[in-house]
Amino acid sequence: GENVEQHPSTLSVQEGDSAVIKCTYSDSASNYFPWYKQELGKRPQLIIDIRSNVGEKKDQRIAVTLNKTAKHFSLHITETQPEDSAVYFCAALNTGTASKLTFGTGTRLQVTL
Amino acid sequence: GAVVSQHPSRVICKSGTSVKIECRSLDFQATTMFWYRQFPKKSLMLMATSNEGSKATYEQGVEKDKFLINHASLTLSTLTVTSAHPEDSSFYICSAPGLAGLSGETQYFGPGTRLLVL
Repeated sequence: GENVEQHPSTLSVQEGDSAVIKCTYSDSASNYFPWYKQELGKRPQLIIDIRSNVGEKKDQRIAVTLNKTAKHFSLHITETQPEDSAVYFCAALNTGTASKLTFGTGTRLQVTL
Repeated sequence: GAVVSQHPSRVICKSGTSVKIECRSLDFQATTMFWYRQFPKKSLMLMATSNEGSKATYEQGVEKDKFLINHASLTLSTLTVTSAHPEDSSFYICSAPGLAGLSGETQYFGPGTRLLVL
């Protein structure tokens, strides 16, 4: 099955700086890669996603890049704000099979003033 | 947008009792729902796939007889933790794919149920 690794496990940045979270996946058949933000005790919320036919996608301060050859994808948050503090999960999915998301291990992002 | 609800949001029970958690899709039908377990500071781990009208599909290592899943209708799936023990204490989250997400891309998550077994 799919295995998704995520780094770093914790990340502390100063407000205004950029944050980068990286994930690798094992199943070359995976073709959909969402990123979720989860605040303490809350449900995961989709913040951005990318499909395998695209190398990069951007939505305001958030961007995601995908390297299919290396099976890497990354989340980039620019101009970080305190409200960006949360746990971020990457995930991978093969839309052609059983539709099961495989989550990364999570990154706890702390944006300090 | 599509909404998934869970009930209860929080439950405390004594060891040995059973607890039922409901997951409902409020404005759309879900023939499939997913149940996840999340321990503190850990990731979401898929426990099982709930299928309307048929048996659930459990992930490796998940005890079928301990975590009973019933998908009785197109909008309701239930997870029953039988004979709960303290190690079952966790955050349980369900999700359902949206209409355009039969491929799994669009997943609507419930708000989660925090279970504490004393």
